[in-house]
Amino acid sequence: QVQLVQSGPEVKKPGASVKVSCKASGYNFNTYSMTWVRQAPGQGLEWMGWISAYNGNAKYALKFQGRVTMTTDTSTKTAYMELRSLRNDDTAVYYCARGGDSPDYWGQGTLVTVSS
Amino acid sequence: SSELTQDPVVSVALGQTVRITCRGDTLRSYFATWYQQKPGQAPVLVLYGQNNRPSGIPDRFSGSYSGDTASLTISGAQAEDEADYYCDSRDSSGTRFGGGTRLTVL
Repeated sequence: QVQLVQSGPEVKKPGASVKVSCKASGYNFNTYSMTWVRQAPGQGLEWMGWISAYNGNAKYALKFQGRVTMTTDTSTKTAYMELRSLRNDDTAVYYCARGGDSPDYWGQGTLVTVSS
Repeated sequence: SSELTQDPVVSVALGQTVRITCRGDTLRSYFATWYQQKPGQAPVLVLYGQNNRPSGIPDRFSGSYSGDTASLTISGAQAEDEADYYCDSRDSSGTRFGGGTRLTVL
């Protein structure tokens, strides 16, 4: 069965970077994009971007351009999302989800807390 | 505007039918996708495209479109349908989510 297992919670200081991983299993990793979505505490969902596992092409939300990098490692079937120059309002649960359009399987989420 | 607008709160009596709407100009060109999210859980895909349900989603969930509005209809709402519902759709710069609708089943 399809599973996306994300890395554990992180606590970072403002200005630092965080890299969240998402290990996929149960499907052909190369044939799907991976979408990243975040959710601040008590808030709605926010699309961050997606990356093709086939060719590495990525599309980022305008809000995050220059601050986010999404990558994939096909040898380990793992997707990564790195967010730099963290601010307090980057505190959120970060999700990976399979597919670019209408992502159908989601990871369990990774809580990233940014605090001095 | 590329925003997607949802009513923040909707309620329905147990067993009745409820419609949750998502409005935005982008819906004139692109389909909506609908997700259900329960507290402390990841979102779950419930509808996509014209009116497609992933396997495992009950057929009481259906979708429709009119102009700039997409609707998610739950026919015969159950207690387990109480959740937050989010729509999303493409826009010129990627994908955008609506603000979400909290559905209460009375």
